[in-house]
Amino acid sequence: EIVLTQSPATLSLSPGERATLSCRASQSVSIYLAWYQQKPGQAPRLLIYDASNRATGIPARFSGSASGTDFTLTISSLESEDFAVYYCQQHSRWPITFGQGTRLEIK
Amino acid sequence: ELQLVESGGGLVQPGRSLRLSCTASGFTFGDYAVSWVRQAPGKGLEWVSFIRSIPYGGTTEYAASVSGRFTMSRDDSKSIAYLQMNSLETEDTAVYYCTRSGKNGGNMIDYWGQGTLVTVSS
Repeated sequence: EIVLTQSPATLSLSPGERATLSCRASQSVSIYLAWYQQKPGQAPRLLIYDASNRATGIPARFSGSASGTDFTLTISSLESEDFAVYYCQQHSRWPITFGQGTRLEIK
Repeated sequence: ELQLVESGGGLVQPGRSLRLSCTASGFTFGDYAVSWVRQAPGKGLEWVSFIRSIPYGGTTEYAASVSGRFTMSRDDSKSIAYLQMNSLETEDTAVYYCTRSGKNGGNMIDYWGQGTLVTVSS
């Protein structure tokens, strides 16, 4: 099973700041890495697919990048609605696995 | 508007069975695979099961934690996917999300339903 390790567990930032969230895979997942955002009481929402492609309707302040087995989600300038939990997920090999999540909270 | 609506959740005793349904609308259901993903209270996301579209065999994949106990199926004539859950354990307590997975044989999850809560308790 491919293990995804997200860091940090919690990130405390202020609106307007830049957020950098990391996800490391235990083995290669090629580009088959997605990022999801989940707000309290809501279902997750797809933000980024294939490591760097924004999903439909996702603002340009969200971007994804990859370097080998290291993946990064960047939010260039935080808006109030961006404070949530973020999960990475690989769908390269079965079983599909998720990272444990990064909680982005208001400082 | 694309929608995935789960139903069938509730309180069930350990060892009993439950069947969840996922009713889809707003897209051609038969062209897509479907996954179930669950989230235990206060915890992260766990993928549970996957079913390919019929043109790609309609075959299934399961997480090790549910293999042999859960069975996924689909009825494309009704745009419904099912998750039959047998021999339920307290560890199966979670919100179960139905998700739309890939077209053309892929398995990327792009849309999620709002979820249905399953509570396994005596």
